Amino acid sequence: GEDVEQSLFLSVREGDSSVINCTYTDSSSTYLYWYKQEPGAGLQLLTYIFSNMDMKQDQRLTVLLNKKDKHLSLRIADTQTGDSAIYFCAEAKGATNKLIFGTGTLLAVQP
Amino acid sequence: SAVISQKPSRDICQRGTSLTIQCQVDSQVTMMFWYRQQPGQSLTLIATANQGSEATYESGFVIDKFPISRPNLTFSTLTVSNMSPEDSSIYLCSVDPGTGTGYTFGSGTRLTVV
Repeated sequence: GEDVEQSLFLSVREGDSSVINCTYTDSSSTYLYWYKQEPGAGLQLLTYIFSNMDMKQDQRLTVLLNKKDKHLSLRIADTQTGDSAIYFCAEAKGATNKLIFGTGTLLAVQP
Repeated sequence: SAVISQKPSRDICQRGTSLTIQCQVDSQVTMMFWYRQQPGQSLTLIATANQGSEATYESGFVIDKFPISRPNLTFSTLTVSNMSPEDSSIYLCSVDPGTGTGYTFGSGTRLTVV
C-alpha cells in the first residue's frame, strides 16, 4: 500500500513491556525512525535504525527491523506512565530522504 | 543536532487572510521540509525546500496555496494563503542536519482559522 501503517491504540499496565508495530512502504528506505509526541508538544526523536541492521537497543528501547516484510517494531521495556504519548514511525524515502510518517499509535499506560 | 526556531508558535486568523511561518536553523542545511498535522492526524509532508531552487510539492499541495521561500541555508518561510477553517492545523518545519542522528523538528505553529 501507499501508507505507512500502525495500529491506532495500545494500552498496557505500568511495568509491562509495550510493542508498537509499523509496516512501511519502501524497501529502499535507508533509515527508519521512531518519534514520540506528547499532548500539545512537539515531536521528539526517540531512536532510529539503519536499513542494514535488524536490531538496535537503546536503554529501554529496542527496535526490530524485518526488511523482507517491511515491518518495524518498537519495544519499550518497563513502561512508565510518562511513556503515554502518540508514537510515530517514519521512513526516509526518495532522493531527498524525505520523511513519510506512519498513522501513529496512541500508547496509554495504566498505573 | 540542529536547533530550529519556529514562529509564530500559534495564531488565530480570519478566513481569507494569509499567514507566514518562519523557521530559522542554527546551522546550514541543504534541505528543509514543511509538514502539516491536522487535528488528531499524523504528519503530512507539504513540500521540500532546497536553497536556490523552487520548492518541490507533494501531491495535493500547490505553490499558490503554500508558497515557500528559501533565501539561504539557514532560513525558510511557509505561507498559508487565502485561509479557510480547513487549514486549521499544526505546521512544522524539519531539517536533516546530515549527522546521521535523525531529523529535527521545529516546535510547530498551531494555526486556527475562524
